[in-house]
Amino acid sequence: ETGVTQTPRHLVMGMTNKKSLKCEQHLGHNAMYWYKQSAKKPLELMFVYSLEERVENNSVPSRFSPECPNSSHLFLHLHTLQPEDSALYLCASSQDVSGGVYTFGSGTRLTVV
Amino acid sequence: AQKVTQAQTEISVVEKEDVTLDCVYETRDTTYYLFWYKQPPSGELVFLIRRNSFDEQNEISGRYSWNFQKSTSSFNFTITASQVVDSAVYFCAIDRGSTLGRLYFGRGTQLTVWP
Repeated sequence: ETGVTQTPRHLVMGMTNKKSLKCEQHLGHNAMYWYKQSAKKPLELMFVYSLEERVENNSVPSRFSPECPNSSHLFLHLHTLQPEDSALYLCASSQDVSGGVYTFGSGTRLTVV
Repeated sequence: AQKVTQAQTEISVVEKEDVTLDCVYETRDTTYYLFWYKQPPSGELVFLIRRNSFDEQNEISGRYSWNFQKSTSSFNFTITASQVVDSAVYFCAIDRGSTLGRLYFGRGTQLTVWP
């Protein structure tokens, strides 16, 4: 597959569940990102990884835990979420952390009940 | 701090009309990049254009054109002869021109093109 692939596309979870979002890119990019897109809010940057090292954690609650085992994969582990965490979670990658030309995945639509 | 304002929340046009999406930005940086991304119903944001703050030349790509004016801190996007496939949410964004960039997005403009 080309581009950035996110799984699952849709996820419904209870507040006490633990789940993980997966993102995969085979573009040879060195940087990967998690963004949160809520209704009526700007896209919010959550985490930035460059060469598998976290370079930014944008004041995200600890109930969101990222993992980047290699340059092609990025995970977002979720636990004890709140209903207000319901949103579209977008993964993106770029050649490097500077420049802003990102390739985005289609996102995971998360609903917390 | 960097900020992008897209005052138009929703725009509706009929096919073949021209439409301009407005973008106003704020930054204290002298070097920065401006972007437009398109988000179709499928969800993924698609990169359209990046402009360097030192290059104010307008750009045209097919039916798309961009007008960058530093004097008014604006980076407007015009679609000529709109088509139904242009229906999407369009985001303007800014990134500081440093080694650790971070894209700041506007809230987006929902464009609906009716047949």
